[in-house]
Amino acid sequence: GAGVSQTPSNKVTEKGKYVELRCDPISGHTALYWYRQSLGQGPEFLIYFQGTGAADDSGLPNDRFFAVRPEGSVSTLKIQRTERGDSAVYLCASSLDRGGTQYFGPGTRLLVL
Amino acid sequence: KNEVEQSPQNLTAQEGEFITINCSYSVGISALHWLQQHPGGGIVSLFMLSSGKKKHGRLIATINIQEKHSSLHITASHPRDSAVYICAVRNTDKLIFGTGTRLQVFP
Repeated sequence: GAGVSQTPSNKVTEKGKYVELRCDPISGHTALYWYRQSLGQGPEFLIYFQGTGAADDSGLPNDRFFAVRPEGSVSTLKIQRTERGDSAVYLCASSLDRGGTQYFGPGTRLLVL
Repeated sequence: KNEVEQSPQNLTAQEGEFITINCSYSVGISALHWLQQHPGGGIVSLFMLSSGKKKHGRLIATINIQEKHSSLHITASHPRDSAVYICAVRNTDKLIFGTGTRLQVFP
């Protein structure tokens, strides 16, 4: 079956621009996670959705970052006024339910010039 | 100090060698994951364990809850095992990741 998909696979933008990153989880998975991975580092937690609601957004670095999951399936991570330090691979993962094995998408590589 | 520490950071081996990667953590956890990441970024979950030992093919993962330590072993290593291996612990609902161990296995 289809795994977790993320679009776009690569995104290049200019400092100050707005970007949206999309995640399509595995069908039926209620839990969805966003992580950010900088070069040479392990992923860092950003936000976790259980259904439509953000159950834990403690990893969002500041108020330029926002994520939604309006219908409990697809999620969009939104970054306003991008900065060069936002450049990273943004990973999405989903699990059948809270605490289950997480299945990762291929990531979106964001480069802010 | 990172909440999840892995060692070594880099590991080189000859095909056939037995590999051990270590992970220590300092927070309370409900489970520990071992993940494999290939060049290009794709992450695959290898194991999720909360006690004891699990085996899958040539891979073995162990965890000692009292010592807050886990190991990932690869028997009869092969060049296709070359990847970054990441330890991650589940703390509440989120994963906290180590920085990974880069393994290269040469023929």
